[in-house]
Amino acid sequence: QKEVEQNSGPLSVPEGAIASLNCTYSDRGSQSFFWYRQYSGKSPELIMFIYSNGDKEDGRFTAQLNKASQYVSLLIRDSQPSDSATYLCAVPTFSGSARQLTFGSGTQLTVLP
Amino acid sequence: GAGVSQSPRYKVTKRGQDVALRCDPISGHVSLYWYRQALGQGPEFLTYFNYEAQQDKSGLPNDRFSAERPEGSISTLTIQRTEQRDSAMYRCASSGGGGGNQPQHFGDGTRLSIL
Repeated sequence: QKEVEQNSGPLSVPEGAIASLNCTYSDRGSQSFFWYRQYSGKSPELIMFIYSNGDKEDGRFTAQLNKASQYVSLLIRDSQPSDSATYLCAVPTFSGSARQLTFGSGTQLTVLP
Repeated sequence: GAGVSQSPRYKVTKRGQDVALRCDPISGHVSLYWYRQALGQGPEFLTYFNYEAQQDKSGLPNDRFSAERPEGSISTLTIQRTEQRDSAMYRCASSGGGGGNQPQHFGDGTRLSIL
């Protein structure tokens, strides 16, 4: 089992709809979770991070964390065509004294106009 | 600079040659990370520096890969005797600290192609 798993998609939603992206992780000790957006041919861009159970909202984005279920999700409200990208879930994992990010393989989102 | 800067953007070389990839982190960021990203996959960790100290190199695939950050700022990832399987996007990221809660910010990457 991979440490961080995401549905690879592709996920297509109509413009204005809610896009729901999901991520599960295997390390119960994980404390923080990051969502990156990566446009085709570009570098990953941090859009959300969450540390505590529950919801965190930032504009049209809401991150939801359930540590008991080892599940983190990203909701995008009022989806726009410009949201079309690959969304990467990332979880810090310990390796010796360092904390490295372990990424899922990403979910490709397409918002249809 | 304002963001993480990597050079060159593209590198094409013949199998067996050595290559050096450069990363200039965000000013003031003490932690620097190297990742490798295959098409359709998320970045995969290679190595991590805190200031000039290489704290973790567990992700380096083999001993042909090495990295340094001698003055705690710019870092170089070197691949010796390149092989075709080394072809990938190499990404550098930096953060304000090594704590797991510190967001990492990525550069635009170096696309390495081994012929």
